[in-house]
Amino acid sequence: DGGITQSPKYLFRKEGQNVTLSCEQNLNHDAMYWYRQDPGQGLRLIYYSQIVNDFQKGDIAEGYSVSREKKESFPLTVTSAQKNPTAFYLCASSIRRRANYGYTFGSGTRLTVV
Amino acid sequence: GEDVEQSLFLSVREGDSSVINCTYTDSSSTYLYWYKQEPGAGLQLLTYIFSNMDMKQDQRLTVLLNKKDKHLSLRIADTQTGDSAIYFCAESRQGGSYIPTFGRGTSLIVHP
Repeated sequence: DGGITQSPKYLFRKEGQNVTLSCEQNLNHDAMYWYRQDPGQGLRLIYYSQIVNDFQKGDIAEGYSVSREKKESFPLTVTSAQKNPTAFYLCASSIRRRANYGYTFGSGTRLTVV
Repeated sequence: GEDVEQSLFLSVREGDSSVINCTYTDSSSTYLYWYKQEPGAGLQLLTYIFSNMDMKQDQRLTVLLNKKDKHLSLRIADTQTGDSAIYFCAESRQGGSYIPTFGRGTSLIVHP
């Protein structure tokens, strides 16, 4: 079955550490996105990529970095510069030319700073 | 104000209809969506409607769009306990990357 796989489901980070969240899709979708979700808030866009080797900052990119070396993969690194990284992180994908038909989301990674 | 607004909570009795409301501010919004999020999970696209439509029905779900008032609603008929979740309204506009703006979500609680 096609879908988006995010791993790990739970991640713990110590102060000052960088951590990388994995997102892999086998839907042959062109575009991929990273969102952050905090309790009682909507989804906030961190980064997005519409084609391989290209990505754009979203609304809250500071303290995060991404790469898009393969169509299937869009990992997100939460760097030590992100001062409040505890949140639920969601990856999504869409067909670029049909992004208006909505996104497919992964099941999320919950990141906690310890 | 926020671009997409929703009330935060809705409580209904099992078997009743639920109506979740959403207002948006951008008159150029062309595509409107409803997503469902169950606890600890990602979002699932329930349905979407284009701005040239007034209504869309899909089994127990009915979406109504009032473009004049920039108001979108999702009606769930015969609400079941399995419908308990957070429902997100989102809008995007034609051109560019179609990246949607999401509301904060409405928590639907279904009680027996």
